Amino acid sequence: TQLLEQSPQFLSIQEGENLTVYCNSSSVFSSLQWYRQEPGEGPVLLVTVVTGGEVKKLKRLTFQFGDARKDSSLHITAAQTGDTGLYLCAGYGNKLVFGAGTILRVKS
Amino acid sequence: DTGVSQNPRHKITKRGQNVTFRCDPISEHNRLYWYRQTLGQGPEFLTYFQNEAQLEKSRLLSDRFSAERPKGSFSTLEIQRTEQGDSAMYLCASSRTGGATDTQYFGPGTRLTVL
Repeated sequence: TQLLEQSPQFLSIQEGENLTVYCNSSSVFSSLQWYRQEPGEGPVLLVTVVTGGEVKKLKRLTFQFGDARKDSSLHITAAQTGDTGLYLCAGYGNKLVFGAGTILRVKS
Repeated sequence: DTGVSQNPRHKITKRGQNVTFRCDPISEHNRLYWYRQTLGQGPEFLTYFQNEAQLEKSRLLSDRFSAERPKGSFSTLEIQRTEQGDSAMYLCASSRTGGATDTQYFGPGTRLTVL
């Protein structure tokens, strides 16, 4: 069974601070995806990383796929209140397997 | 592209009743997925369809659960004899082809509460 562990589970920070969310597994994935989910809504895809060591940037968000394609990180620079939400990583083996998520709260 | 829609958005039922949820995927998407999400957890895969064929079912999908996609368009998920443990958000997603780089588009979910 492929499992993805996310840390931290909950993060509360002030606007303007930087943060990193981690996603770790003992399994190798063909790709890893990061989603953001708001209350009462379905997850929305932020990025897909495919190649080991790959780094993708989406404005203030930086995503990295580990060299061995077992882990990933999401770094947010200068967090804004609009970044508040549940961040989910999901690894693709033969189907998507989701981590439990990191709840991010950005306070003004 | 109107997105994935799900109905109803909320369902409250008594234990032992049957419930049915509907998912309308993005048109021309061949794949349709059902997930279940409980509080504090990420979505868990239940089943998926390639057109009208149901290709995989999770062990989470007990015999009280059945899903159909009769014409390869919309899908229904039925839960018979609901139990309190069935209370969760049921999410539907669709994608074009499947695969590691394919994007799954999620609907807003149906929140089920079993009393």
